[in-house]
Amino acid sequence: GAGVSQSPSNKVTEKGKDVELRCDPISGHTALYWYRQRLGQGLEFLIYFQGNSAPDKSGLPSDRFSAERTGESVSTLTIQRTQQEDSAVYLCASSLGQFYNEQFFGPGTRLTVL
Amino acid sequence: KQEVTQIPAALSVPEGENLVLNCSFTDSAIYNLQWFRQDPGKGLTSLLLIQSSQREQTSGRLNASLDKSSGRSTLYIAASQPGDSATYLCAVRGPGTGTASKLTFGTGTRLQVTL
Repeated sequence: GAGVSQSPSNKVTEKGKDVELRCDPISGHTALYWYRQRLGQGLEFLIYFQGNSAPDKSGLPSDRFSAERTGESVSTLTIQRTQQEDSAVYLCASSLGQFYNEQFFGPGTRLTVL
Repeated sequence: KQEVTQIPAALSVPEGENLVLNCSFTDSAIYNLQWFRQDPGKGLTSLLLIQSSQREQTSGRLNASLDKSSGRSTLYIAASQPGDSATYLCAVRGPGTGTASKLTFGTGTRLQVTL
């Protein structure tokens, strides 16, 4: 497709379960980012990939959060043992490269932890 | 630590008015600044990107300016329309090298354009 896609669009899970969120960036974009937006709050950076490596993981809130990227394409954000405070919209963005390029965002995955 | 502030938090204007949204950031050593709109339940749509070396960018009825030294940007919307109703977000990239690739976002201005 032409834009960044994310799946699922909505995910409801029970506290303590693991979840996987998927991001398909724009073809050819080497940089990929994950952000989250909790209700009523601004967007928070989680992790950045350049190619398949993650030089900046500084935003991951705890060791329950992890992410990987394969084939310089698809990325998966995994949250283990979900907690209610993990409820948020998780947004993925991609760009052609670092620093100077525009970031394009996907529609997000709304995660609700009951 | 970079902090981004947007004023006002909410704005309601009648259709046809010109309006200005404000964004300020605490560290002027940025690579660029990006304005987005966010519609309810939707992702972010990129509106304008201004590199640190630029003073302004224009797209249709939108004009964004950047005064890097004073840590300020404005988004000017001309002849507002009901379809412009959305939350407008300002985001800056930088400073730093290790964390330079991430965007730091403001909390947004919620705009409503009434008929």
